[in-house]
Amino acid sequence: GAGVSQTPSNKVTEKGKYVELRCDPISGHTALYWYRQSLGQGPEFLIYFQGTGAADDSGLPNDRFFAVRPEGSVSTLKIQRTERGDSAVYLCASSSTGGGSPLHFGNGTRLTVT
Amino acid sequence: AQRVTQPEKLLSVFKGAPVELKCNYSYSGSPELFWYVQYSRQRLQLLLRHISRESIKGFTADLNKGETSFHLKKPFAQEEDSAMYYCALTAGTASKLTFGTGTRLQVTL
Repeated sequence: GAGVSQTPSNKVTEKGKYVELRCDPISGHTALYWYRQSLGQGPEFLIYFQGTGAADDSGLPNDRFFAVRPEGSVSTLKIQRTERGDSAVYLCASSSTGGGSPLHFGNGTRLTVT
Repeated sequence: AQRVTQPEKLLSVFKGAPVELKCNYSYSGSPELFWYVQYSRQRLQLLLRHISRESIKGFTADLNKGETSFHLKKPFAQEEDSAMYYCALTAGTASKLTFGTGTRLQVTL
């Protein structure tokens, strides 16, 4: 596709439920990133994939958060037992090689936990 | 740990006035600095990076290691510059970007 695609664009869920957020990166981009952006804040790093493997997951806040990228393309961010504090915009970005190459962001998924 | 500070949440200027969006960082090594911009109802996108030393849409930014700053400047603001601007840093060989909290630039007539 022309850019990074994220689905759904909006997700409302009840506290305690499980959610999956999908990211489809730019074709051929080996690096994929997940960020979380709360109101009034800048994007906060969650996890970085290089190919199929998580090269850096130091930003995942706790073990309720998990992400996969099984074929080195599409990635899914999974959140278990959601809490109200998980409400935020979840951004996905890809870059051609990682390192310092520019990030191309998706439009984000707005997650609301009620 | 690296940190990026953008002291102004909102900067309001008149069209044609000079603009300076402040960014300071803390990192002991040699960082790579970026400015990202988000226009209304658009996705976050790269504006410029310090290693390119280029001017994009009339904006420039110089890395000042002595002052640990990477301020974004434009001599004459345009209405279409109104947007949210984020300064970001990559440290060493790490790939993750650390973002500041952003500054909203509002250009009025």
